[in-house]
Amino acid sequence: SQQGEEDPQALSIQEGENATMNCSYKTSINNLQWYRQNSGRGLVHLILIRSNEREKHSGRLRVTLDTSKKSSSLLITASRAADTASYFCATGRTDSWGKLQFGAGTQVVVTP
Amino acid sequence: GAGVSQSPRYKVAKRGQDVALRCDPISGHVSLFWYQQALGQGPEFLTYFQNEAQLDKSGLPSDRFFAERPEGSVSTLKIQRTQQEDSAVYLCASSLLSRANNSPLHFGNGTRLTVT
Repeated sequence: SQQGEEDPQALSIQEGENATMNCSYKTSINNLQWYRQNSGRGLVHLILIRSNEREKHSGRLRVTLDTSKKSSSLLITASRAADTASYFCATGRTDSWGKLQFGAGTQVVVTP
Repeated sequence: GAGVSQSPRYKVAKRGQDVALRCDPISGHVSLFWYQQALGQGPEFLTYFQNEAQLDKSGLPSDRFFAERPEGSVSTLKIQRTQQEDSAVYLCASSLLSRANNSPLHFGNGTRLTVT
């Protein structure tokens, strides 16, 4: 079973626009992570936000976390064609510190 | 340094055959994970090792699935008597820390298994 649910399932934007995707989860967490996956490849870690943090930045990425609503968002600013990929949130649950649980992902297409 | 390496990259097996998938994690990484990813879905947790100890195998779908990491580095995922529903991409990941769900995972490119 998958812990996180991303929204939207798919997103199509033009280069230069911002892309926002959301993740909701069900149980108490230690942290929430975002990963990117290009077609036919493994996942690449983007950013980790801990449960006591509310916002984190890394380059063109901005992640927010609202533990009261059990939700997170990932914002990619000034998107590029190379940002075309699937994006997954993953949660580290407090009751199971050995694994991450992934959502079904948001497929992002950035057209030039 | 080298990343996580998985082999083979592609595997086609006839129903009923046994398969073995290999993972070489990043040197020095304590934690190793196996995930199964169906087409269009997110990775589903299978099992987790801390060094050579298999601490969580709650995600293994059946007793046909077996994983080992005997010397705390290379890991093998074995699937016996493969079924069509086993067709998926099998991803291996490693992590530097022992408290693995609080640190980034480094993924290999996966093994795509097709059972005919």
